[in-house]
Amino acid sequence: GDSVTQMQGQVTLSEDDFLFINCTYSTTWYPTLFWYVQYPGEGPQLLLKVTTANNKGISRGFEATYDKRTTSFHLQKASVQESDSAVYYCVLDSNYQLIWGSGTKLIIKP
Amino acid sequence: EAAVTQSPRNKVTVTGGNVTLSCRQTNSHNYMYWYRQDTGHGLRLIHYSYGAGNLQIGDVPDGYKATRTTQEDFFLLLELASPSQTSLYFCASSEGNNNQAPLFGEGTRLSVL
Repeated sequence: GDSVTQMQGQVTLSEDDFLFINCTYSTTWYPTLFWYVQYPGEGPQLLLKVTTANNKGISRGFEATYDKRTTSFHLQKASVQESDSAVYYCVLDSNYQLIWGSGTKLIIKP
Repeated sequence: EAAVTQSPRNKVTVTGGNVTLSCRQTNSHNYMYWYRQDTGHGLRLIHYSYGAGNLQIGDVPDGYKATRTTQEDFFLLLELASPSQTSLYFCASSEGNNNQAPLFGEGTRLSVL
């Protein structure tokens, strides 16, 4: 069946560091891929979306590129800030159902 | 403004108790979802619906019922609550067309003692 894998349970960085969160997926459909962000005490909210038509999503300084060859959808940001502390989820849209990754908690050291 | 509103925000009940969680969306979305979120498991789909009167089973439906009374309202029912159902519950809605990302509510924290 379809699946999404986020291997990093937690990432700890300092302000202005480069962020890279790994996500790989498996599906037999043409994928639509999302990154959601969840701040403490809130529900998940959409960060960015990528389809096979556009291949790349950019939002609030975050960027993700869909790579069909490696079936990856990694999230990147050039310079993180303390306000980016949150849990990030990679999500696969598979035939109107969402397949959620296990989430990566981003901690920004003061 | 698009919104998904959950009530109550917090609920405490005892084992064997009867609990109803409510969700209302004002987005004219067709699809509505109930998820639970637990440490180490991420978000897991309990039930979902693609319209009033419709109900579909998700990945972890045991111990839960749901009902979609109108396009706007989706309820999650725990008729005999157990401590294993202590969790953070999220409702979400989406248009249901391909590529549409669901919009989430703020969550309901349920404790079953």
